[in-house]
Amino acid sequence: KAGVTQTPRYLIKTRGQQVTLSCSPISGHRSVSWYQQTPGQGLQFLFEYFSETQRNKGNFPGRFSGRQFSNSRSEMNVSTLELGDSALYLCASSLTGGGWNEQFFGPGTRLTVL
Amino acid sequence: DQQVKQNSPSLSVQEGRISILNCDYTNSMFDYFLWYKKYPAEGPTFLISISSIKDKNEDGRFTVFLNKSAKHLSLHIVPSQPGDSAVYFCAATTNNAGNMLTFGGGTRLMVKP
Repeated sequence: KAGVTQTPRYLIKTRGQQVTLSCSPISGHRSVSWYQQTPGQGLQFLFEYFSETQRNKGNFPGRFSGRQFSNSRSEMNVSTLELGDSALYLCASSLTGGGWNEQFFGPGTRLTVL
Repeated sequence: DQQVKQNSPSLSVQEGRISILNCDYTNSMFDYFLWYKKYPAEGPTFLISISSIKDKNEDGRFTVFLNKSAKHLSLHIVPSQPGDSAVYFCAATTNNAGNMLTFGGGTRLMVKP
């Protein structure tokens, strides 16, 4: 069974640009969550999508947005990039939702903002 | 406001001995706790979990203990193996929070041969 895949794996952008990251969940998984990992703030929840609907949202500015498609694939978008957006962006999928459902993480997309 | 804290950024243990990783939380609404392990260049992988209705859960070499009154949980690894060297994150969630996990800052475990 293929795991969670994220593309691209590495990305370099400049301030003010926008970026779109992609996540393909494990086949059959309907929930996709996004996390940001930085050395200073650790792993922080961005948002969760389930059946194409945003179910939960973390404490991030509106520049961070996402969506989920009917095949459960998800994208997240960051507009007007800032230096502080440099981070590892992780996507996780699970069958449904709830803390007791195991989440499987992808390897992440390393975003560098110059 | 850090709701989940791992106060030890690193821990070094000899192979074969016990590793104890600690985690404290402040939000009494949390009712499900998880531990994840992360190797460099990989995403976190689920290790073990515990519901707030239990105080212990065991899976092979890994045992998680939960002390609700102290808002403290710990992960015991016995015996520790060099392959256990990784960063360990504890995480917590509530029953109605979907997959919104709140993570601690992580503890880097080094198991020396």
